[in-house]
Amino acid sequence: DAGITQSPRHKVTETGTPVTLRCHQTENHRYMYWYRQDPGHGLRLIHYSYGVKDTDKGEVSDGYSVSRSKTEDFLLTLESATSSQTSVYFCAIFGAGTARSGPNSPLHFGNGTRLTVT
Amino acid sequence: TQLLEQSPQFLSIQEGENLTVYCNSSSVFSSLQWYRQEPGEGPVLLVTVVTGGEVKKLKRLTFQFGDARKDSSLHITAAQPGDTGLYLCAGDGGTASKLTFGTGTRLQVTL
Repeated sequence: DAGITQSPRHKVTETGTPVTLRCHQTENHRYMYWYRQDPGHGLRLIHYSYGVKDTDKGEVSDGYSVSRSKTEDFLLTLESATSSQTSVYFCAIFGAGTARSGPNSPLHFGNGTRLTVT
Repeated sequence: TQLLEQSPQFLSIQEGENLTVYCNSSSVFSSLQWYRQEPGEGPVLLVTVVTGGEVKKLKRLTFQFGDARKDSSLHITAAQPGDTGLYLCAGDGGTASKLTFGTGTRLQVTL
């Protein structure tokens, strides 16, 4: 298994509070991603990173920010949580540590964080 | 924005039956991946198809990439309870290392 750890695994928070989710990898992979998973929508990309301090937006980035100060850690922050952000959040890593490995390279996912905003 | 629609959304069948899951788009993809996800876990890669018209077999699972590289199918022969899970297709548009995921097909196989 790829060494990806997400924390916390479960969190309940109130509307309007800030929340930070952490993704930690031990694989030294360059690319890291945050997805959210909701019924009927599959996985939707929130933000991704292609190196330390290099990040970019995905298709559903509004209300989220990210930071990557070290290769191994990618943080997702909800500045002011809303009920629409109740979801399961997955972190994923990609590649062999340097440039994109090619079309046959898979994403390796963590086991997810279930976030409930009340 | 590239979209991938999967059908059916839900499928409940008995052990031994055959089934096909479809993944369709109006966009062309350089490759397409299929993942399976079990409850409480992240998706795990099953296969990647790269060439238009390509067919790959993984035991009882057969994956096909459309000639125009806009669609794909997953066929399971003689389904078993261990095949139960969420199946996701994901297309590689070739830009910025980002995959576009399909809407998912939830399969339940009962005895």
